[in-house]
Amino acid sequence: GENVEQHPSTLSVQEGDSAVIKCTYSDSASNYFPWYKQELGKRPQLIIDIRSNVGEKKDQRIAVTLNKTAKHFSLHITETQPEDSAVYFCAADILAGGGNKLTFGTGTQLKVEL
Amino acid sequence: NAGVTQTPKFQVLKTGQSMTLQCAQDMNHNSMYWYRQDPGMGLRLIYYSASEGTTDKGEVPNGYNVSRLNKREFSLRLESAAPSQTSVYFCASREQGNYGYTFGSGTRLTVV
Repeated sequence: GENVEQHPSTLSVQEGDSAVIKCTYSDSASNYFPWYKQELGKRPQLIIDIRSNVGEKKDQRIAVTLNKTAKHFSLHITETQPEDSAVYFCAADILAGGGNKLTFGTGTQLKVEL
Repeated sequence: NAGVTQTPKFQVLKTGQSMTLQCAQDMNHNSMYWYRQDPGMGLRLIYYSASEGTTDKGEVPNGYNVSRLNKREFSLRLESAAPSQTSVYFCASREQGNYGYTFGSGTRLTVV
């Protein structure tokens, strides 16, 4: 089955700096890669996603890049703010025999310090 | 339009007790999922249902059963709860042909 690895597990940046989180996946059949932000005690919230036919996508301060050949994708947050502090998860979606399945990375705890 | 609704929000069980976690969606989505979330391990897929009448095992199905009661509802049952099943459980749904997954607010289960 699909395996998603995520690094780093914790990331601390100064307010205004950029943050980068990286993920790799194992199954080349995966075709959709969402990123979720999860605040303490809350459900995961989709912040950006990218499909396999696109190399880069940007939404204001957030961007995602995808390298299908290398099977890795990254989340870039620019001009970080304290409210960006949360746990971020990458995921890979694959169509398997029974239907689509989403496999998650293990998460990155981002702390934005003043 | 409530999205994905999970009940209960919190539950404490004794080892060996049984219970059913309920999940319902009002978005007419075909696919529904149950995940568990443990510290440092992300979300892991327990079972999923690609459409009404079908269910499939995910990554960590042992100790669980599911029922896709109809298109709206997908329940997760613990027949004999164990402390290792202490976790936060999330239900999710997905529309066929669309990529987005919608998550419920979660059920925090503690087995003592």
